[in-house]
Amino acid sequence: EDKVVQSPLSLVVHEGDTVTLNCSYEVTNFRSLLWYKQEKKAPTFLFMLTSSGIEKKSGRLSSILDKKELSSILNITATQTGDSAIYLCAAPLPYGGSQGNLIFGKGTKLSVKP
Amino acid sequence: KAGVTQTPRYLIKTRGQQVTLSCSPISGHRSVSWYQQTPGQGLQFLFEYFSETQRNKGNFPGRFSGRQFSNSRSEMNVSTLELGDSALYLCASSLRGPGTSESYEQYFGPGTRLTVT
Repeated sequence: EDKVVQSPLSLVVHEGDTVTLNCSYEVTNFRSLLWYKQEKKAPTFLFMLTSSGIEKKSGRLSSILDKKELSSILNITATQTGDSAIYLCAAPLPYGGSQGNLIFGKGTKLSVKP
Repeated sequence: KAGVTQTPRYLIKTRGQQVTLSCSPISGHRSVSWYQQTPGQGLQFLFEYFSETQRNKGNFPGRFSGRQFSNSRSEMNVSTLELGDSALYLCASSLRGPGTSESYEQYFGPGTRLTVT
């Protein structure tokens, strides 16, 4: 069965720290990996990584895809309290399956203390 | 472009009642997916609609149903509510559909927080 596993499930750091969130996947016909940030309600899209774009960066956030290891990491440098959120990793599935079009990990809950 | 909207945002119901939630996708998106999110289970897929047709369904009982209208707006219905149905219900819209160019990004609405007492 297809699956996406994230670790750790929760993390507490102090402002200014650098954090690394992990995501591993076993997905049929893997094509891409997506990262979302969920603060209070709606998950908001962060990055999509594909074979042709295995590294993405936006400000203090960056993400790398390792297709050999079937994994991805999300790095956040110089963390701020506003980075506190649940970070979700997801991978598209073949269209029409019972797990939906995107399979999600359970998320990593990041808490940044002042 | 307006984002995905969901109504109502909060709902309190009692066991045995039924509930209908609504989702309006981003303009131009014809695919709407519904998810249930609970602290222990994470995001679990309920079903997906594209062009008014249910394209796939997750492993939820028949009490959970949905539909999509010609303007791509979607509703989901839960009948005979149980305490375990308390959750955040999220809908997401996408350009992806059968036979369309692949675009894997899904854009989420703010969710409906359902509490069953």
